[in-house]
Amino acid sequence: QQQVRQSPQSLTVWEGETAILNCSYEDSTFDYFPWYWQFPRESPALLIAIRPVSNKKEDGRFTIFFNKREKKLSLHITDSQPGDSATYFCAARRNSNNRIFFGDGTQLVVKP
Amino acid sequence: DMKVTQMPRYLIKRMGENVLLECGQDMSHETMYWYRQDPGLGLQLIYISYDVDSNSEGDIPKGYRVSRKKREHFSLILDSAKTNQTSVYFCASSSGHNNQAPLFGEGTRLSVL
Repeated sequence: QQQVRQSPQSLTVWEGETAILNCSYEDSTFDYFPWYWQFPRESPALLIAIRPVSNKKEDGRFTIFFNKREKKLSLHITDSQPGDSATYFCAARRNSNNRIFFGDGTQLVVKP
Repeated sequence: DMKVTQMPRYLIKRMGENVLLECGQDMSHETMYWYRQDPGLGLQLIYISYDVDSNSEGDIPKGYRVSRKKREHFSLILDSAKTNQTSVYFCASSSGHNNQAPLFGEGTRLSVL
């Protein structure tokens, strides 16, 4: 059973629009949710992260909204730029064994 | 300088050969990971290590083994490599004491012919 699910698989927006990437998880013991972005032929890099004590985390144009009751979170990218074009991975950490589970990613394309 | 270093970056091997992928980190992180990533897919956990000689299987350990004899060094070994092990392998590390996202190395692109 996949622990972390992401949707959509791919997303195209125009420059300046808001991109919304969705994520859901299964395990209620997950205690930390990092988002990574990955550019072609590069390694994943941490973008922004949230803990369940918060329902929102903002960093510039990037905002995570977190709904603990529904086990859902979303990443909003406002004023999207072509340089934001990448694959975005939602991840979740299980506190008991420090395992990190990754979703399959959302490939974002921002058209100029 | 916080960094995870993987060697080699690119590797071509023939089926049946042994493969050694090396990973080092300079942050004294307790936890280290080996993932593989196939085209268009997410990251699959092969092994996780909690410290020296304290390793656990991930989701896809079959065909792999690991070694961690020093905290800063974590190796992935493929005994008798198979063509379906062609992939990009990422090592990552994190501190177990803080809620800290793993830091990834640059990856090793392995082709098994």
